[in-house]
Amino acid sequence: GENVEQHPSTLSVQEGDSAVIKCTYSDSASNYFPWYKQELGKRPQLIIDIRSNVGEKKDQRIAVTLNKTAKHFSLHITETQPEDSAVYFCAAGGGSYIPTFGRGTSLIVHP
Amino acid sequence: NAGVTQTPKFQVLKTGQSMTLQCAQDMNHEYMSWYRQDPGMGLRLIHYSVGAGITDQGEVPNGYNVSRSTTEDFPLRLLSAAPSQTSVYFCASTQNGAHEQYFGPGTRLTVT
Repeated sequence: GENVEQHPSTLSVQEGDSAVIKCTYSDSASNYFPWYKQELGKRPQLIIDIRSNVGEKKDQRIAVTLNKTAKHFSLHITETQPEDSAVYFCAAGGGSYIPTFGRGTSLIVHP
Repeated sequence: NAGVTQTPKFQVLKTGQSMTLQCAQDMNHEYMSWYRQDPGMGLRLIHYSVGAGITDQGEVPNGYNVSRSTTEDFPLRLLSAAPSQTSVYFCASTQNGAHEQYFGPGTRLTVT
C-alpha cells in the first residue's frame, strides 16, 4: 500500500516568514495530493490539492509543488500570519478515493 | 446541509465496555471512512465503505466493526474497549468521482 512520509513534524517561524512542509510517497500510481489544515480542536479541512498532471498550483499565499519522478510534493506558505498556526497534513491517493495521510506538521507562527 | 455529523462529542468508557460511534452525512456521498487521530501518528484509516452494503478494512481495523446499511449512516462499533483505543475519531465522506474528504467534528474517546 501507499506510504506517506511528512517532514518536519514541528515548524516554528516568525510572522511574515515563509514555511515549507515536505512529503514523499511510495506508490507511483498515486495521482492526487491534497493538503489539509487542522486548527486546534477542529476537524481537518482541505486547503489545496494538486493532481499528477500539474507541477505547481497556487492559491493566494499558499502553493503546492509536485515532482512525480522523485515522488515528493511540498506545501509553501508565504507571508505567514498567526492564523496559519495549525497542524497540516499531506496525503496521497488515487483511484480508491481514500487517501493515505502523513503524520502531520505542527506549524507555529510567532507574532 | 449539515454535512458530516458525529455523536457523541465526548465519551468515557471502562475497559471491556462496548459502544457505537455514530456518523451521518446528508450530501449523498458514496464513500465514507473512519480515522483515528493520535499525537504524532496522523490520521490512520480504520475502516471505509464505497457504498451501501460494502465495507473494507483500513490500516488499523482490529477491535472495530462497521456496517453501511444506508448511504447516509456509517456507525463504528467498539466491541470491547481497551485503553489503546483512547483517541479522537473522525468520520469522513467523499463524493463518488471526487477526492475531497469532508470530515465530521470528531469524537474524543477515553478508555480507562
